[in-house]
Amino acid sequence: QKEVEQNSGPLSVPEGAIASLNCTYSDRGSQSFFWYRQYSGKSPELIMSIYSNGDKEDGRFTAQLNKASQYVSLLIRDSQPSDSATYLCAVNAFYGGSQGNLIFGKGTKLSVKP
Amino acid sequence: KAGVTQTPRYLIKTRGQQVTLSCSPISGHRSVSWYQQTPGQGLQFLFEYFSETQRNKGNFPGRFSGRQFSNSRSEMNVSTLELGDSALYLCASSGGGAEDTQYFGPGTRLTVL
Repeated sequence: QKEVEQNSGPLSVPEGAIASLNCTYSDRGSQSFFWYRQYSGKSPELIMSIYSNGDKEDGRFTAQLNKASQYVSLLIRDSQPSDSATYLCAVNAFYGGSQGNLIFGKGTKLSVKP
Repeated sequence: KAGVTQTPRYLIKTRGQQVTLSCSPISGHRSVSWYQQTPGQGLQFLFEYFSETQRNKGNFPGRFSGRQFSNSRSEMNVSTLELGDSALYLCASSGGGAEDTQYFGPGTRLTVL
């Protein structure tokens, strides 16, 4: 069974600090990786996608991918109270060569304290 | 571009009833996926439709079904509702050259009493 694991948290960081969120996945054939942010009572919102090993930066967010270790991370620099949310890691599952669905981790709850 | 829309936003039903949820994808997106989100299980994949065909299906009982229309709008149906079906049902669309990137609608909150 294909799985995506995240530490449920809560992860608490002070305002201005770097928040580090981690995710591991079981399917070595996975090729697409996503981070979503979900505020309480809202739907998931796409933050970043990453496909190649290494880092991808977008503003205060950096996604890191290591396929050999089956590990994806998200760094949030200069964390703000508005970043307080649950962060979901998602991995694309391919079936028989065709694009499949996303498999989600259960999310890490981040709390940024002023 | 308008985002993914879902109707209704909230529903209250009783056990044994059936329900139909609707999703309109982002213009130009041909793939629609449905997910169930509960506090205990997180986000779980129900099924995906592409060009009116179910392309993938998750591990849910046959009471959960769906369809897609020629304009890519999709509906999902749950028959014989159970208390455990209470959840947030999310629709996501993808397409327009980024076939694997899914954008979520606001969801339908279903409560089964």
